[in-house]
Order: sequence, then C-alpha cells, then structure tokens
Amino acid sequence: KQEVTQIPAALSVPEGENLVLNCSFTDSAIYNLQWFRQDPGKGLTSLLLIQSSQREQTSGRLNASLDKSSGRSTLYIAASQPGDSATYLCAVRGTGANNLFFGTGTRLTVIP
Amino acid sequence: GAGVSQSPSNKVTEKGKDVELRCDPISGHTALYWYRQSLGQGLEFLIYFQGNSAPDKSGLPSDRFSAERTGGSVSTLTIQRTQQEDSAVYLCASSLDPTFYGYTFGSGTRLTVV
Repeated sequence: KQEVTQIPAALSVPEGENLVLNCSFTDSAIYNLQWFRQDPGKGLTSLLLIQSSQREQTSGRLNASLDKSSGRSTLYIAASQPGDSATYLCAVRGTGANNLFFGTGTRLTVIP
Repeated sequence: GAGVSQSPSNKVTEKGKDVELRCDPISGHTALYWYRQSLGQGLEFLIYFQGNSAPDKSGLPSDRFSAERTGGSVSTLTIQRTQQEDSAVYLCASSLDPTFYGYTFGSGTRLTVV
C-alpha cells in the first residue's frame, strides 16, 4: 500500500525566507502528485498538480518538483509571507487505486 | 457552480440520530470522493464514485455509513445512529478526470456528535 510521508511535521520561519517542504512516497507507480494547503477549519485548496511525466510545476512564488523514481517531491516557497501560514499536504494518485494517498502534512508558520 | 459545494457547513447532532451530508460537485465532473478528517488526523478515504460505475466503498468504516450519487451529480453521505467518534470534518472532492486534472475539494461539513 502506498505510504506518503511529509517532513518536517511543523516549520516556523521568519517572513521573507525561502523554504522547502518535503514529501516522499513508497510506490513510484503514480499518475500524478498534488500539493494542497489547508487553513484551520477549512477545506483543501489545490496549489499545484504535477503529472508523472513532469519534473516540476510553478505558480507564482511556488515551485513543486517531482522525482518519481526516488519517490520524492518538494514544494519550494519563495519570499514567504504571513499569509502562507497553513498546513501543506501532498497527495499521490496511484495507478492501481481509486483514491488519493495523502501525506501527514506540514504545518507552516511564517512569523511577521 | 464554480466550485464544490457542501452543506451544511456545520452540523451538531445528538448521539443515535441519523445525519445527511450533501455534496454538489463541479458541473461535468464525473469523479466524486468523500473523505473524513478527524481532529488532528490525516484524511481518511471513505467512498469514490466514477460515472455510472459501481462505487468503491472500501473506505466506509462501518455499515452505518452509506452514500449515493443521484444522476451522476449530487452526492449524499448518510450516517445512521451517529456516535461520538463520528465527529469529524467530512470533505467532498470532485474531478473531471483524476488521472490528468487533479481534485477540487469543498469546504467540508464539520459534524459534532454530542
């Protein structure tokens, strides 16, 4: 069964810093990987979707990379802002399953 | 609509009562998922609908949980004889094709069983 792990579980940085969130998965047979953010008490907001054939995707200050063979993805956030404070989740869509496998999340706090 | 809509946003119910949670997916999205997120926990898959195919119910935690999707659009998750451990946020997601387009989530229904 696919297992998805996110490190670190929590991260606190001063405003303006660049940061990297990590996601690893055990089964490289995936269709795609998706990064979400979740604000307290809210649903999930999609940030970036990377297909298995792609290496990276960018949106504004966010850049996500995917190394399928090693089972790793990173989410790079440039010039962090207090509004970036949230829990970030990665999820992989397996080829043999009908659902997403979610990571445990990284709770990010950006200090003004 | 522009996004996935869930109702109610909050529901408080007494132990033993039945509840119905509703999900309106994005128009045209054939795939629909229900997940549950308990306090401080990760997302737990419940059920998946794809078009007219039989749903994947492998994540439903007990026979008190059921879901249906009418006309390939609106879905209702029903929990019978609610228990306190059912308290969680129930999230719905839809996708045009999860292989290529990823998932769009609703804002969730926060269920509290007292």
